[in-house]
Amino acid sequence: SQQGEEDPQALSIQEGENATMNCSYKTSINNLQWYRQNSGRGLVHLILIRSNEREKHSGRLRVTLDTSKKSSSLLITASRAADTASYFCATDTDNYGQNFVFGPGTRLSVLP
Amino acid sequence: EAGVAQSPRYKIIEKRQSVAFWCNPISGHATLYWYQQILGQGPKLLIQFQNNGVVDDSQLPKDRFSAERLKGVDSTLKIQPAKLEDSAVYLCASSLIFPVGGYNEQFFGPGTRLTVL
Repeated sequence: SQQGEEDPQALSIQEGENATMNCSYKTSINNLQWYRQNSGRGLVHLILIRSNEREKHSGRLRVTLDTSKKSSSLLITASRAADTASYFCATDTDNYGQNFVFGPGTRLSVLP
Repeated sequence: EAGVAQSPRYKIIEKRQSVAFWCNPISGHATLYWYQQILGQGPKLLIQFQNNGVVDDSQLPKDRFSAERLKGVDSTLKIQPAKLEDSAVYLCASSLIFPVGGYNEQFFGPGTRLTVL
């Protein structure tokens, strides 16, 4: 079953602009992660935010979590062409933190 | 540090044929996952191993899919017989064992792209 739903499905921006992607989920979570997938490659873990955290930063990435609204957002600042990829949120609902459910992803295109 | 290795990278078969994928996880990673990613969708967990034991195979279509990790290191995923809807990228991931409530990052391989004609 699909737990997370990313929004928008596709996003196209110019280099240097900020990109915001959202993820909504249905049931309570322990952790929420964001992954990036470049064309033809496996997934790369970007950032994890725990259910008791509201915001995390990693370089040009900022993730927020609102457990009352069951939603998260990923902000990429000062985007680069190399940020072109699909971005997925993944949520875990068990206490073991092993079983993640991925959303369908947001396809981001950063135009030079 | 070497990443998760998968082979082959691409495979084209006809329906009703059999196919097998191989995965070698990162050294020392006791947990191994196989995911199916259909075009335009997120990865879906098929099976999870911890060492050579199955932790979760609830979404594995057991009538045609099988997986094994006999020595607790590398793993094979087999489809027999394949259907058109099995066309997808099959991703392998691995992680360390961690305590209840903790978290260990999953590292993904490049995947095997399967096309069933």
